[in-house]
Amino acid sequence: AQSVTQPDIHITVSEGASLELRCNYSYGATPYLFWYVQSPGQGLQLLLKYFSGDTLVQGIKGFEAEFKRSQSSFNLRKPSVHWSDAAEYFCAVGAYGSGTYKYIFGTGTRLKVLA
Amino acid sequence: SQTIHQWPATLVQPVGSPLSLECTVEGTSNPNLYWYRQAAGRGLQLLFYSVGIGQISSEVPQNLSASRPQDRQFILSSKKLLLSDSGFYLCAWSVLQDSYEQYFGPGTRLTVT
Repeated sequence: AQSVTQPDIHITVSEGASLELRCNYSYGATPYLFWYVQSPGQGLQLLLKYFSGDTLVQGIKGFEAEFKRSQSSFNLRKPSVHWSDAAEYFCAVGAYGSGTYKYIFGTGTRLKVLA
Repeated sequence: SQTIHQWPATLVQPVGSPLSLECTVEGTSNPNLYWYRQAAGRGLQLLFYSVGIGQISSEVPQNLSASRPQDRQFILSSKKLLLSDSGFYLCAWSVLQDSYEQYFGPGTRLTVT
């Protein structure tokens, strides 16, 4: 069965420090992978996506993610975190079935940024 | 451009009362539509999806139901709310031909008291 694991429930970093959020997935075929960000009380905003091709994907707000098939991972990174990056981050895999793609989400990682 | 609306934004309802949450999409035709729930401290769980008018698929058994009376309208309902129905409800849409990318609405915060 398809699944997504985000092992870190909470992460705290200092402003200006680098960031890596982990995501591991289980999916039988080539996955479509996504990272979303959710600010408090808001909907989800797409940060980046991987469908195929270059395994290093650039997204908005200075984020990037690397697809590693051998490790079944799609970790999100940012070289220098800003206070406005404090939010909850969700990794998702798109699974096709019954005429549509369904997202399977991880449980999320809540990022806190220290000034 | 396409936009997605959800209302109400916030709702407080007593246990046993009915529920109706509405989602509408503008600027696209025949979208796939989805309802997700985000419970406190949990990730997002897909509740229902629809690939066309009147076509509803349920992902998990629960106290909720969904309907799609029009092409771009998706409604989440309950006859009698439970405390466990509290959460943040998100509607999303995708284009039929490009259905692996979903776009999310602003969400509805439901508190059942």
